[in-house]
Amino acid sequence: AQTVTQSQPEMSVQEAETVTLSCTYDTSENNYYLFWYKQPPSRQMILVIRQEAYKQQNATENRFSVNFQKAAKSFSLKISDSQLGDTAMYFCAFMDLQDSNYQLIWGAGTKLIIKP
Amino acid sequence: EAQVTQNPRYLITVTGKKLTVTCSQNMNHEYMSWYRQDPGLGLRQIYYSMNVEVTDKGDVPEGYKVSRKEKRNFPLILESPSPNQTSLYFCASSLFGSSGNTIYFGEGSWLTVV
Repeated sequence: AQTVTQSQPEMSVQEAETVTLSCTYDTSENNYYLFWYKQPPSRQMILVIRQEAYKQQNATENRFSVNFQKAAKSFSLKISDSQLGDTAMYFCAFMDLQDSNYQLIWGAGTKLIIKP
Repeated sequence: EAQVTQNPRYLITVTGKKLTVTCSQNMNHEYMSWYRQDPGLGLRQIYYSMNVEVTDKGDVPEGYKVSRKEKRNFPLILESPSPNQTSLYFCASSLFGSSGNTIYFGEGSWLTVV
């Protein structure tokens, strides 16, 4: 079974610093997507960034970027110039494109606190 | 505006009292699913639906039922709720099949069973 592991239950950094959240996954498949979702206190689930496994280039979205290491099955999220509004739970998720279920497999989440 | 709407957003109920959490999407998506979120476990899929009248179990279907009589609606039914079903529930929808789909989530439904 595919699994997603986020080894950092909680992290905190000062505003404007850079922070990296870790995610590893386990799969024998070759065609999949990886996602980072943000869940602020409102509990809304917000897509931060998405990476297609067949793409070697790391995805970026403004201050958010990923380091996708396919061989190592690692998918970390880097937040640059962190802002108070980045305080949230962050979830890493995996989708196997061979799975007709199109199910998202989720990590347990990392609570990120940005301190002023 | 594209959205997934869940109701109720907050509910406290008693053990054994049947309840339904509704989910509706306005994007003509084929694929809809239900997840529950519990501390330390992330989200886990309960049921999913590929299209009207096509539903199947996810990883944690016990104690839940679903139906898909219309494309836009995918209600989650708890026939006899128990305290271990206290959780935050999310409905999600997306276009089915092609790569790069955007998955839309509802705002979540907090359910407490006492």
